[in-house]
Amino acid sequence: GENVEQHPSTLSVQEGDSAVIKCTYSDSASNYFPWYKQELGKRPQLIIDIRSNVGEKKDQRIAVTLNKTAKHFSLHITETQPEDSAVYFCAAYLWGSGYSTLTFGKGTMLLVSP
Amino acid sequence: DAGVTQSPTHLIKTRGQQVTLRCSPKSGHDTVSWYQQALGQGPQFIFQYYEEEERQRGNFPDRFSGHQFPNYSSELNVNALLLGDSALYLCASRGTGQGMETQYFGPGTRLLVL
Repeated sequence: GENVEQHPSTLSVQEGDSAVIKCTYSDSASNYFPWYKQELGKRPQLIIDIRSNVGEKKDQRIAVTLNKTAKHFSLHITETQPEDSAVYFCAAYLWGSGYSTLTFGKGTMLLVSP
Repeated sequence: DAGVTQSPTHLIKTRGQQVTLRCSPKSGHDTVSWYQQALGQGPQFIFQYYEEEERQRGNFPDRFSGHQFPNYSSELNVNALLLGDSALYLCASRGTGQGMETQYFGPGTRLLVL
């Protein structure tokens, strides 16, 4: 089955700095890669996703890049703000197979200091 | 349009007891997945239901069982509770078809086994 590794496990930055979280996956057939943000005591919420036919996607201060050859994808947050502090999870998924589900990384705790 | 809802929000049980958790998917969604999230970990896939059948199962014992109803809502049952079953149980739903790969999570049920 799919295995997703996520690094770093914790990341501390100053407000305004950039943050980068990296994930690798094992199943080359995976074709959908969402990122979820989970604040303390709350549900995971989708913040951005990327499909395997795209190399990069941006949404305001957030971007995701995908390298299918190397089987890794990264989340980039620019101009970080204290409200970005949360746990971020990457996931990989084989969409369209009818019999697949999300495999998550172990999460990165991002702390943005004012 | 209500998102994914779960009940109850919190639950305390003792070892050996049984528990039932409930989930209502987002409007228009027909596929429900259940995840277990231990403290400090990423969500771990338990099983997925579609058309009232268990479609796929993760690495969880038979003590974990589920059901999906004709209205697409779902239940997760755990028998013979163990201390290690203490976790946040998340339900996620999605639709089927093009562009429906995104899974949306409910707020979770926090289960404490004493």
